[in-house]
Amino acid sequence: AQSVTQLDSQVPVFEEAPVELRCNYSSSVSVYLFWYVQYPNQGLQLLLKYLSGSTLVESINGFEAEFNKSQTSFHLRKPSVHISDTAEYFCAVSSARQLTFGSGTQLTVLP
Amino acid sequence: GAGVSQSPRYKVTKRGQDVALRCDPISGHVSLYWYRQALGQGPEFLTYFNYEAQQDKSGLPNDRFSAERPEGSISTLTIQRTEQRDSAMYRCASTPGYEQFFGPGTRLTVL
Repeated sequence: AQSVTQLDSQVPVFEEAPVELRCNYSSSVSVYLFWYVQYPNQGLQLLLKYLSGSTLVESINGFEAEFNKSQTSFHLRKPSVHISDTAEYFCAVSSARQLTFGSGTQLTVLP
Repeated sequence: GAGVSQSPRYKVTKRGQDVALRCDPISGHVSLYWYRQALGQGPEFLTYFNYEAQQDKSGLPNDRFSAERPEGSISTLTIQRTEQRDSAMYRCASTPGYEQFFGPGTRLTVL
């Protein structure tokens, strides 16, 4: 069995400030890790993924996440957020095809 | 379009009625997944198919829920004798491997 914990349900932050969205997982086997983003009134979109190789992965819009096996974490970070980053972010883990999602973190960027 | 499509986007039904939710995956994607997402929660796995074969239906809540993918492409999730607790967003995803591509979802409301 696997599970995902997103420690913060709501994260308000001012524009251009840094942000970290926390994600911890538990699994008895090796996993693949994902962050999905859901903008208002839109579907889930893949933001970034860790399958193997470098533990630091980056998205095209400035987000990055680091896979930390010893701490079983995959925290999402961005050094400077924009208003357009306002969305709900879901961390997910996969070991045998199906995805197990966390409960989501609502990131609200304030002007 | 090239993405996953779902229909209807919104469905309002009365308790006790049957509903059928449709998913049209990305062409060529072998695997198709169904998830259910309650308000304020992450998506929860329901079932998945490889081609036309249902590989895992362990997430279906009870025997009122069923799914099929008879020709290995379009899939239908059917809920019989709907109950108010079935109200949720139902999401479909398809994948050629490990990265899942999600459709816009069907918002089901049972009155």
